[in-house]
This record gives sequence, structure tokens and C-alpha cells, in this order.
Amino acid sequence: QVQLQESGPGLVKPSGTLSLTCAVSGGSISSSSWWSWVRQPPGKGLEWIGEIYHSGSTSYNPSLESRVTISVDKSKIQFSLRLTSVTVADTAVYYCARGYYYDGITYLWIRAFDIWGQGTMVTVSS
Amino acid sequence: SYELTQPLSVSVALGQTARITCGGNNIGSKSVHWYQQKPGQAPVLVIYRDSNRPSGIPDRFSGSNSGNTATLTISRAQAGDEADYYCQVWDSSLYVFGTGTKVTVL
Repeated sequence: QVQLQESGPGLVKPSGTLSLTCAVSGGSISSSSWWSWVRQPPGKGLEWIGEIYHSGSTSYNPSLESRVTISVDKSKIQFSLRLTSVTVADTAVYYCARGYYYDGITYLWIRAFDIWGQGTMVTVSS
Repeated sequence: SYELTQPLSVSVALGQTARITCGGNNIGSKSVHWYQQKPGQAPVLVIYRDSNRPSGIPDRFSGSNSGNTATLTISRAQAGDEADYYCQVWDSSLYVFGTGTKVTVL
């Protein structure tokens, strides 16, 4: 069973760079799945940040695209998020998730998040 | 960009049926997925492709999708169903989440 675990600093200064890593265990990061980052500000809803394929292909939310980079390290079986020029509005719980997976019941590829990390809180503050 | 609208809150009596709506333009033409999120926890997928339940999700959870509204139905509501619920679609190569609904079991 695939499991995801986020790690990274819990505090980032305004105008700084937020960097998080998601370790993938129990499965291959080189499967046909896409791997995403999703965030949730305190008391608010979910926001998709972007995703990456094991080849390195990426797709980003247009609202964040100018500040976001997602990368993959297949040797370490992990993928990473980098968000630049952060402000207090970037304070949130950040989740990594599998966002494209094969469903053996419907025999279809599904664009939904079936596996999530536990999430990591990142606070932007001086 | 595509928008999904959910009621802010839904209340349901213990053992009764709760219905959570997710509104979007011609949402019936899209696949809708639903997540349950309890306080301090990551979301959990409870319905995918409108009406399919992942392994381990009770059959008390069901879904439908037609026209401009998708609906998540929780039958025989239990105290443990109290949570936030989010709908989600894939549109124009983007994942879009609904605004979220807080379900309270009375």
C-alpha cells in the first residue's frame, strides 16, 4: 500500500522560499500516476497547487504558477515543492497526494486523490 | 475558471439522511469525487466518479450527478460522519475543489 509523508520547515519568513518534500513508500513513484501538492489555509478549503509525473512533466495551478516549482527525485523516491516569495497568505497545511490512479473496479484512470500524506503545517511569519 | 459551490453547512439527525450538494455549470458532464475531512486529519476519498465507493467506505455513502448539481448522500447518519465534505472535479487540466460543507450530526 502506497504511503506518503511530507517533511520540511514549519516556519518560513515572508519573502522567503517554502520547500517541502514528500517521501513515497510502499510503491513506485515511476508508476503511471501523477503526484500532487494540495494546501489548506487554517479554517479554509482545499487548493490544488500542482502535480508532477515521474518523467518530470509538471502542471501547475495558474494562480500560483509564477511562484511554484515541483520536482521529482526517483532515486530517493520522493517529490518536492518549492514556493517562492511567500506571504502570510501562504500559511497553510500542505499535503502531498496521489492525484491520478488506476481503479481496478471500473478499469479506468481516475483524476481524484486516493492517497494523501498526513499534512504538514507551514507558517509564514517573521 | 470552473467553480463548484457547496452549502456552508448541513445538519442531520442521528440515523437520518443528509444530502450535500455541489453545484457547477453542466457538472453532470464531468466526473465528481467527494472527500471527507475530519478535524486535524487529511481528506479521505469517499466517492469517486459520481457514485463509486473506494474499498472500506460504508455503503451508507452514495453519490449522484446530473445537470448542474452533484449530490453526496449519507444514509443512517452516525456521529462519526460529522466532518467537512468537499466535492472535486477535473476541468481544463486542473483539479478544482468545492467550497466545502460542514456536516453536523444532531
